[in-house]
Amino acid sequence: KAGVTQTPRYLIKTRGQQVTLSCSPISGHRSVSWYQQTPGQGLQFLFEYFSETQRNKGNFPGRFSGRQFSNSRSEMNVSTLELGDSALYLCASRASVNTEAFFGQGTRLTVV
Amino acid sequence: AQSVTQPDIHITVSEGASLELRCNYSYGATPYLFWYVQSPGQGLQLLLKYFSGDTLVQGIKGFEAEFKRSQSSFNLRKPSVHWSDAAEYFCAVGAGDSNYQLIWGAGTKLIIKP
Repeated sequence: KAGVTQTPRYLIKTRGQQVTLSCSPISGHRSVSWYQQTPGQGLQFLFEYFSETQRNKGNFPGRFSGRQFSNSRSEMNVSTLELGDSALYLCASRASVNTEAFFGQGTRLTVV
Repeated sequence: AQSVTQPDIHITVSEGASLELRCNYSYGATPYLFWYVQSPGQGLQLLLKYFSGDTLVQGIKGFEAEFKRSQSSFNLRKPSVHWSDAAEYFCAVGAGDSNYQLIWGAGTKLIIKP
């Protein structure tokens, strides 16, 4: 079974631009979560989607948004990029509630 | 509020020596606990998990962890480390309805001396 796939692996964007990151979960998994990892703040929860619905959201500004498609693939969008948005963005999928999360390799976003 | 503490930012051990990485959590209910490992520039790989039952859980790569409710701890152990174990290790607790969110420790970087 293929793992969680995130594309692209690396991105360089300019302040003020927007970016879209993609995540394909493990086949059959319906829950997709997104995390931001930075040296200063560590790993922080962004949001979780289940069956195309955002069920939970972390403490991030509205510039961070996402969606999930009927095939469970998910996209995350960040608008009006700031230097502080530079981070490793990790996607995780779960088969169902109360199960473990499996992570992708992440997308390294650099904002210049 | 839920929290996870990994008191050691770095740990250095010699190859072949035993390892214990500490993790303490704060959580009101019975926790779902996890250990993940991350190599530089990579994602997170699940080493092991505790949901219920036997408090000593076995994971991949020869790792094990013991859940001690009285000490609110979930320490990770390995009897003999290999150079390939050099990485950063994260402890996490599942939080919220259906454990949708992982609350993370700050991580412990493991350095292996030859």
